[in-house]
Amino acid sequence: KAGVTQTPRYLIKTRGQQVTLSCSPISGHRSVSWYQQTPGQGLQFLFEYFSETQRNKGNFPGRFSGRQFSNSRSEMNVSTLELGDSALYLCASSLRVSETYNEQFFGPGTRLTVL
Amino acid sequence: GQQLNQSPQSMFIQEGEDVSMNCTSSSIFNTWLWYKQDPGEGPVLLIALYKAGELTSNGRLTAQFGITRKDSFLNISASIPSDVGIYFCAGLGTGTASKLTFGTGTRLQVTL
Repeated sequence: KAGVTQTPRYLIKTRGQQVTLSCSPISGHRSVSWYQQTPGQGLQFLFEYFSETQRNKGNFPGRFSGRQFSNSRSEMNVSTLELGDSALYLCASSLRVSETYNEQFFGPGTRLTVL
Repeated sequence: GQQLNQSPQSMFIQEGEDVSMNCTSSSIFNTWLWYKQDPGEGPVLLIALYKAGELTSNGRLTAQFGITRKDSFLNISASIPSDVGIYFCAGLGTGTASKLTFGTGTRLQVTL
């Protein structure tokens, strides 16, 4: 079974630009969550999509948005990039059987550098 | 954003030694997960714990879900060089669905 895939793996952008990252979950998984990882803040939850609906959201500004398609693939978008948005963006997929039984499997991440 | 307290922050050990790390929270969690992350990669799930007091093993790894539901520990026995990496605990709380709250990480380095 293929794991979670994320594209692109590396991205360099300049301040003010926008970026779209893509995530394909494990086959059969309908939940996709996004996380930001930085040296200072660690791993922080961005949002979760399940059945094409945003189910949960972390404490990030509205510049961070996402969506999920009918095949469970998800994209996240960051508009008006700032230097502080430089991070590893991780996507995790889950069967989301319940709130308790919800093992999340991560992709390799997209390394975003904002210059 | 919130992070769980994880200790130690880093550790150097010799090959063959046992390792222990723990994670504490001020909040109760229903599920504890332990992950390992290698440089430039995403975290890999090692062990999942679902019940307070539960003790679960995965090869040389053993983890326990604390009775208070506010802590968890991970033990690695007879460490080997490929155990090098950063270990994260993560908790899932009530009503937070898929929102994992992660620990600050324990960086493990193994010397021969």
